Amino acid sequence: DIVMTQSPLTLPVTPGEPASVSCWSSQSLLHTNGYYYLDWYLQKPGQSPQLLIYLGSNRASGVPDRFSGSGSGTDFRLKINRVEAEDVGVYYCMQTLQTPYTFGQGTKLEIK
Amino acid sequence: QVQLVQSGAEVKKPGASVKISCKTSGYTFTTNAIHWVRQAPGQSLEWVGWINTGNGDTKYSQQFQDRVTLSRDTSARIAYMELSSLRSEDTAVFFCAREDYDIWSAHIKFDSWGQGTLVTVSA
Repeated sequence: DIVMTQSPLTLPVTPGEPASVSCWSSQSLLHTNGYYYLDWYLQKPGQSPQLLIYLGSNRASGVPDRFSGSGSGTDFRLKINRVEAEDVGVYYCMQTLQTPYTFGQGTKLEIK
Repeated sequence: QVQLVQSGAEVKKPGASVKISCKTSGYTFTTNAIHWVRQAPGQSLEWVGWINTGNGDTKYSQQFQDRVTLSRDTSARIAYMELSSLRSEDTAVFFCAREDYDIWSAHIKFDSWGQGTLVTVSA
């Protein structure tokens, strides 16, 4: 199974400041078609997860442009340009290159 | 709009089985697979498996392979997950999620989720 590791596990951020979450996979997430099969989800308190970023760097429909994804190989990052109060929750990276699909441990973003 | 509405919370004894439903609306049921994800209290997400709602094909995580059965009722637009031989470690919220498959990238993503069903396993 592909193991996904995130850092940090807790991320205190002042509103208006940037934030970044890192995600590493135990093997490359590069598909033979040239895409990286790495997605980011946000689970807001008391809610179901929601898709933020897919294929490493593509924002899902309705996701604000302050969110961006990058990375390659086994090393990926989610960036939030200016954190807002509504961004609190747990961020998960997920690989869909092979089954079983696996998630990172989650990074809890909290407002200072 | 797309909606996935799951059945209510369940309390089961160890060794019992539980069957959760995921009722869909707002799209053609048979064109999108349904995946199931488990989240133990305070823990991350674990992929359980998926069902092709068109032909009924299934694929399970090896961790759940021997105990889980995914099924669907196409006329009612409902997907089901049954988990048997329950143990305390199965106490968790189970989510169903709709798969959005992109033919150009052959990539899947989960674009809509149910609200989750809490399963509590306790003697």
